[in-house]
Amino acid sequence: NAGVTQTPKFQVLKTGQSMTLQCAQDMNHEYMSWYRQDPGMGLRLIHYSVGAGITDQGEVPNGYNVSRSTTEDFPLRLLSAAPSQTSVYFCASSYRARSYNSPLHFGNGTRLTVT
Amino acid sequence: GQQLNQSPQSMFIQEGEDVSMNCTSSSIFNTWLWYKQDPGEGPVLLIALYKAGELTSNGRLTAQFGITRKDSFLNISASIPSDVGIYFCAGRRIFSNTGNQFYFGTGTSLTVIP
Repeated sequence: NAGVTQTPKFQVLKTGQSMTLQCAQDMNHEYMSWYRQDPGMGLRLIHYSVGAGITDQGEVPNGYNVSRSTTEDFPLRLLSAAPSQTSVYFCASSYRARSYNSPLHFGNGTRLTVT
Repeated sequence: GQQLNQSPQSMFIQEGEDVSMNCTSSSIFNTWLWYKQDPGEGPVLLIALYKAGELTSNGRLTAQFGITRKDSFLNISASIPSDVGIYFCAGRRIFSNTGNQFYFGTGTSLTVIP
């Protein structure tokens, strides 16, 4: 059971470039989400999805797009990378979107540097 | 967004000592979760608490869901070098329109001195 898989593990972009961070889970989880982790800021929610075809914005959505065409995949797109998007990005999922006993499970992160 | 108040921010302890950290919030949560993050890795779930007053153990780890539903603590007994890492608390609230929403503490960095 692979759990939550994120690719790539590391990425360097130039300002203005676009790219997609991939996230896949094989646990049939209903809820998927993207966080960024910055020193002193904790984990901040970018976008989330409560099921295929449904996405919504989190706390810091500007500059990012998501889609959820399948239950398994939840890619995060950076439209035009900026140095402020240098961060560690985590994908996380949980079994049910509205169940009290569905904890979040995290991937191992993508470390992104924008120069 | 709402962040939980987690303390202490960092701890330096001798191997074999016990450790205690806690999280507080001004809001009520339905669930409290504790995670550990090793360098270069994602947070890994340690303990999940689902009921006010619940006390749950996982090996040398013990966590409690506060009676007021606004706080939780994590204890680690007889620390060992592999306990080194950053520990995060998380609280969950359920909204009828958006489902689960998770809120995170800023972490406690633990260093164990052999």
